[in-house]
Amino acid sequence: DGGITQSPKYLFRKEGQNVTLSCEQNLNHDAMYWYRQDPGQGLRLIYYSQIVNDFQKGDIAEGYSVSREKKESFPLTVTSAQKNPTAFYLCASNPGLRVWTEAFFGQGTRLTVV
Amino acid sequence: DQQVKQNSPSLSVQEGRISILNCDYTNSMFDYFLWYKKYPAEGPTFLISISSIKDKNEDGRFTVFLNKSAKHLSLHIVPSQPGDSAVYFCAASAKDYGGSQGNLIFGKGTKLSVKP
Repeated sequence: DGGITQSPKYLFRKEGQNVTLSCEQNLNHDAMYWYRQDPGQGLRLIYYSQIVNDFQKGDIAEGYSVSREKKESFPLTVTSAQKNPTAFYLCASNPGLRVWTEAFFGQGTRLTVV
Repeated sequence: DQQVKQNSPSLSVQEGRISILNCDYTNSMFDYFLWYKKYPAEGPTFLISISSIKDKNEDGRFTVFLNKSAKHLSLHIVPSQPGDSAVYFCAASAKDYGGSQGNLIFGKGTKLSVKP
């Protein structure tokens, strides 16, 4: 079955630690995205990648980093510089540039700073 | 500044009646609009979309209307069912928008409650 997989579903982090969230897709999509959801805030774009080895900052990139070494994978690192990391993180993918189509989402990772 | 606005945080409807969820946008470059449905602690699932060359798209109980001059779209659910209770997000994208083609810009969502 084609799809997009995020892991882990729940993640706990101590303050000051970096943590990496995994996102893998087998849909052969060029574009991948990371969003953050906070209560009452909708989905806000953190980073996106339209092609392997290239990525761009979204609206709230501060305190986050990403890599796109493979088409299938787009991991997100939440660094200690992120002031309010507790949130629900969503990864998405779509075929890419100039295509009218929906984005497919993973099931999300709930990150809690303890 | 919000480019996609859903001004109603919540909506309550009786089972069997029509649900109308509204969305406004400010960026005239947007040419593709989508509705997603989301349950708590899950990823959003795609519901229905419409391109800017149309003013209506229908899929079963779900219909999306687009009014480009008003920069407004709406999602109609008829008849509403208790299983439709979820948060609905409106999203928009532009095929030609600088370097961010294809990125979805989301509204804050509307929580729909359908009561039996």
